[in-house]
Amino acid sequence: DIQMTQSPSSLSASVGDRVTITCRASQGISNYLAWYQQKPGKAPKLLIYAASTLQSGVPSRFSGSGSGTDFTLTISSLQTEDVATYYCHNYNSAPLTFGGGTKVEIK
Amino acid sequence: EVQLLESGGGLAQPGGSLRLSCAASGFTFSTYVMNWVRQAPGKGLEWVSGISGSGDYTYYADSVKGRFTISRDNSKNTLYLQMNSLRAEDTALYYCAKDRANSIAAAINYWGQGTLVTVSP
Repeated sequence: DIQMTQSPSSLSASVGDRVTITCRASQGISNYLAWYQQKPGKAPKLLIYAASTLQSGVPSRFSGSGSGTDFTLTISSLQTEDVATYYCHNYNSAPLTFGGGTKVEIK
Repeated sequence: EVQLLESGGGLAQPGGSLRLSCAASGFTFSTYVMNWVRQAPGKGLEWVSGISGSGDYTYYADSVKGRFTISRDNSKNTLYLQMNSLRAEDTALYYCAKDRANSIAAAINYWGQGTLVTVSP
Protein backbone atom coordinates (compact mmCIF):
# COMPACT_ATOMS: atom_id res chain seq x y z
CA ASP A 1 0.00 0.00 0.00
CA ILE A 2 1.12 3.56 -0.67
CA GLN A 3 1.68 5.56 2.50
CA MET A 4 1.00 9.30 2.52
CA THR A 5 3.01 11.40 4.98
CA GLN A 6 1.79 14.92 5.66
CA SER A 7 3.69 17.67 7.42
CA PRO A 8 3.35 19.51 9.63
CA SER A 9 0.63 17.82 11.68
CA SER A 10 -0.46 21.23 12.90
CA LEU A 11 0.42 24.87 12.37
CA SER A 12 -0.56 28.28 13.66
CA ALA A 13 -0.31 31.32 11.41
CA SER A 14 -1.56 34.88 11.24
CA VAL A 15 -4.29 36.16 8.95
CA GLY A 16 -2.68 37.08 5.65
CA ASP A 17 0.24 34.67 6.02
CA ARG A 18 1.29 32.28 3.30
CA VAL A 19 0.79 28.70 4.49
CA THR A 20 2.36 25.59 2.97
CA ILE A 21 1.46 21.96 3.69
CA THR A 22 3.46 19.11 2.23
CA CYS A 23 2.53 15.53 1.42
CA ARG A 24 4.94 12.77 0.46
CA ALA A 25 3.94 9.45 -1.11
CA SER A 26 5.93 6.30 -0.34
CA GLN A 27 6.07 5.62 -4.08
CA GLY A 28 5.28 7.55 -7.22
CA ILE A 29 1.62 8.34 -7.85
CA SER A 30 2.01 10.63 -10.88
CA ASN A 31 -0.53 13.43 -10.28
CA TYR A 32 -3.29 11.28 -8.68
CA LEU A 33 -3.37 13.51 -5.64
CA ALA A 34 -6.24 15.47 -4.11
CA TRP A 35 -6.49 17.89 -1.19
CA TYR A 36 -9.51 18.15 1.11
CA GLN A 37 -10.54 20.68 3.74
CA GLN A 38 -12.53 19.47 6.75
CA LYS A 39 -14.06 21.85 9.25
CA PRO A 40 -15.16 20.57 12.68
CA GLY A 41 -18.35 18.53 12.53
CA LYS A 42 -18.50 18.71 8.73
CA ALA A 43 -17.76 16.39 5.83
CA PRO A 44 -14.54 16.93 3.86
CA LYS A 45 -14.63 19.31 0.91
CA LEU A 46 -12.59 18.84 -2.28
CA LEU A 47 -10.15 21.70 -2.89
CA ILE A 48 -7.66 20.40 -5.44
CA TYR A 49 -7.51 17.33 -7.68
CA ALA A 50 -4.95 16.06 -10.19
CA ALA A 51 -2.37 17.66 -7.87
CA SER A 52 -2.94 21.19 -9.14
CA THR A 53 -6.46 21.59 -10.55
CA LEU A 54 -8.66 23.88 -8.46
CA GLN A 55 -12.16 22.49 -7.85
CA SER A 56 -14.92 24.78 -9.08
CA GLY A 57 -15.96 27.33 -6.47
CA VAL A 58 -12.79 27.08 -4.38
CA PRO A 59 -11.07 30.43 -3.72
CA SER A 60 -8.00 31.10 -5.82
CA ARG A 61 -5.84 31.60 -2.72
CA PHE A 62 -5.64 27.79 -2.62
CA SER A 63 -3.16 26.13 -4.97
CA GLY A 64 -1.51 22.76 -5.35
CA SER A 65 1.68 21.56 -6.96
CA GLY A 66 3.85 18.49 -7.33
CA SER A 67 4.07 15.19 -9.11
CA GLY A 68 5.44 11.76 -8.41
CA THR A 69 6.08 11.59 -4.67
CA ASP A 70 6.17 15.18 -3.40
CA PHE A 71 3.17 17.50 -3.27
CA THR A 72 2.31 20.87 -1.76
CA LEU A 73 -0.87 22.71 -0.82
CA THR A 74 -0.44 26.46 -0.50
CA ILE A 75 -2.81 29.03 0.96
CA SER A 76 -1.47 32.33 -0.37
CA SER A 77 -3.15 34.55 2.23
CA LEU A 78 -4.66 32.78 5.23
CA GLN A 79 -8.20 33.81 6.16
CA THR A 80 -10.16 33.09 9.35
CA GLU A 81 -12.54 30.82 7.42
CA ASP A 82 -9.57 28.60 6.45
CA VAL A 83 -9.32 27.22 9.98
CA ALA A 84 -9.72 23.49 9.36
CA THR A 85 -7.88 20.21 8.98
CA TYR A 86 -6.44 19.52 5.55
CA TYR A 87 -5.88 16.04 4.10
CA CYS A 88 -3.99 14.85 1.07
CA HIS A 89 -5.40 11.81 -0.73
CA ASN A 90 -3.77 9.33 -3.09
CA TYR A 91 -6.22 7.90 -5.62
CA ASN A 92 -3.68 6.35 -7.99
CA SER A 93 -4.95 2.83 -7.36
CA ALA A 94 -6.70 0.79 -4.70
CA PRO A 95 -6.26 0.68 -1.78
CA LEU A 96 -6.70 4.44 -1.73
CA THR A 97 -4.96 6.26 1.09
CA PHE A 98 -5.07 9.56 2.96
CA GLY A 99 -2.43 11.55 4.74
CA GLY A 100 -2.70 11.98 8.49
CA GLY A 101 -3.99 15.54 8.27
CA THR A 102 -2.73 19.05 9.05
CA LYS A 103 -4.67 21.18 11.53
CA VAL A 104 -4.50 24.87 10.64
CA GLU A 105 -5.21 27.48 13.31
CA ILE A 106 -5.06 31.26 13.52
CA LYS A 107 -2.31 32.74 15.69
CA GLU B 1 -27.71 19.21 -6.64
CA VAL B 2 -25.81 16.10 -5.57
CA GLN B 3 -27.15 14.60 -2.34
CA LEU B 4 -25.85 11.56 -0.48
CA LEU B 5 -27.84 10.42 2.56
CA GLU B 6 -26.40 7.66 4.71
CA SER B 7 -28.38 5.51 7.13
CA GLY B 8 -28.09 2.28 9.06
CA GLY B 9 -25.49 3.22 11.63
CA GLY B 10 -25.90 2.44 15.30
CA LEU B 11 -24.60 0.32 18.15
CA ALA B 12 -23.38 -3.19 17.42
CA GLN B 13 -21.67 -5.78 19.56
CA PRO B 14 -18.22 -7.12 18.71
CA GLY B 15 -18.68 -9.91 16.20
CA GLY B 16 -22.01 -8.48 15.12
CA SER B 17 -23.25 -7.07 11.82
CA LEU B 18 -24.66 -3.85 10.41
CA ARG B 19 -25.76 -2.78 6.94
CA LEU B 20 -25.21 0.79 5.88
CA SER B 21 -27.14 2.42 3.04
CA CYS B 22 -26.55 5.57 1.03
CA ALA B 23 -29.36 7.09 -1.01
CA ALA B 24 -28.02 9.17 -3.88
CA SER B 25 -29.71 11.86 -5.94
CA GLY B 26 -28.87 14.72 -8.26
CA PHE B 27 -26.65 12.78 -10.68
CA THR B 28 -26.66 9.69 -12.88
CA PHE B 29 -25.78 7.21 -10.16
CA SER B 30 -24.80 4.27 -12.38
CA THR B 31 -22.02 6.22 -14.13
CA TYR B 32 -19.84 6.93 -11.10
CA VAL B 33 -17.58 4.97 -8.77
CA MET B 34 -18.87 5.17 -5.21
CA ASN B 35 -16.91 4.75 -2.00
CA TRP B 36 -17.17 4.36 1.74
CA VAL B 37 -14.69 6.36 3.82
CA ARG B 38 -14.61 6.29 7.61
CA GLN B 39 -13.30 8.52 10.36
CA ALA B 40 -12.78 7.24 13.90
CA PRO B 41 -13.58 9.78 16.64
CA GLY B 42 -10.90 12.47 16.68
CA LYS B 43 -8.87 10.70 13.98
CA GLY B 44 -8.14 11.07 10.27
CA LEU B 45 -9.83 9.75 7.16
CA GLU B 46 -9.58 6.09 6.13
CA TRP B 47 -10.83 4.80 2.78
CA VAL B 48 -12.80 1.58 3.31
CA SER B 49 -14.14 0.38 -0.02
CA GLY B 50 -15.08 1.39 -3.57
CA ILE B 51 -17.30 0.00 -6.33
CA SER B 52 -17.49 0.67 -10.05
CA GLY B 53 -20.57 2.17 -11.67
CA SER B 54 -21.83 -1.18 -12.92
CA GLY B 55 -20.96 -2.95 -9.69
CA ASP B 56 -18.67 -5.36 -11.51
CA TYR B 57 -15.53 -4.21 -9.74
CA THR B 58 -15.08 -3.83 -5.99
CA TYR B 59 -12.12 -2.67 -3.95
CA TYR B 60 -11.35 -2.94 -0.23
CA ALA B 61 -8.88 -1.74 2.38
CA ASP B 62 -6.88 -4.57 3.93
CA SER B 63 -8.41 -3.73 7.31
CA VAL B 64 -11.92 -4.76 6.16
CA LYS B 65 -11.25 -7.30 3.42
CA GLY B 66 -13.20 -10.50 4.04
CA ARG B 67 -15.49 -8.83 6.60
CA PHE B 68 -17.18 -6.00 4.69
CA THR B 69 -19.01 -6.19 1.35
CA ILE B 70 -19.83 -3.20 -0.81
CA SER B 71 -22.69 -3.34 -3.29
CA ARG B 72 -25.05 -1.05 -5.17
CA ASP B 73 -28.55 -1.12 -6.63
CA ASN B 74 -28.54 1.24 -9.61
CA SER B 75 -32.32 0.87 -10.01
CA LYS B 76 -32.71 2.38 -6.53
CA ASN B 77 -29.74 4.80 -6.69
CA THR B 78 -28.48 3.25 -3.48
CA LEU B 79 -25.06 2.18 -2.21
CA TYR B 80 -24.64 -0.40 0.55
CA LEU B 81 -21.97 -1.60 2.95
CA GLN B 82 -22.57 -4.94 4.69
CA MET B 83 -20.37 -5.05 7.76
CA ASN B 84 -19.81 -8.42 9.45
CA SER B 85 -17.52 -9.60 12.25
CA LEU B 86 -17.41 -6.08 13.61
CA ARG B 87 -14.55 -5.03 15.87
CA ALA B 88 -14.10 -2.16 18.30
CA GLU B 89 -11.68 -0.54 15.85
CA ASP B 90 -14.49 -0.30 13.27
CA THR B 91 -16.11 2.39 15.45
CA ALA B 92 -16.27 5.47 13.22
CA LEU B 93 -18.36 7.90 11.25
CA TYR B 94 -18.92 6.27 7.85
CA TYR B 95 -19.16 8.58 4.85
CA CYS B 96 -20.66 7.72 1.49
CA ALA B 97 -18.55 9.42 -1.19
CA LYS B 98 -18.91 9.92 -4.94
CA ASP B 99 -15.99 9.93 -7.38
CA ARG B 100 -15.55 12.48 -10.13
CA ALA B 101 -15.71 9.70 -12.77
CA ASN B 102 -16.37 6.01 -13.29
CA SER B 103 -12.85 5.10 -12.30
CA ILE B 104 -11.27 4.24 -8.95
CA ALA B 105 -8.50 6.59 -10.09
CA ALA B 106 -10.65 9.69 -9.81
CA ALA B 107 -10.86 11.99 -6.82
CA ILE B 108 -13.86 12.02 -4.51
CA ASN B 109 -15.84 15.19 -5.16
CA TYR B 110 -18.95 14.77 -3.00
CA TRP B 111 -19.45 13.42 0.51
CA GLY B 112 -22.51 12.64 2.57
CA GLN B 113 -22.82 13.77 6.18
CA GLY B 114 -22.01 10.32 7.56
CA THR B 115 -23.61 7.68 9.76
CA LEU B 116 -22.06 6.71 13.09
CA VAL B 117 -21.17 3.10 13.83
CA THR B 118 -20.26 2.18 17.39
CA VAL B 119 -18.97 -1.29 18.21
CA SER B 120 -19.12 -1.98 21.93
CA PRO B 121 -20.23 -4.81 24.27
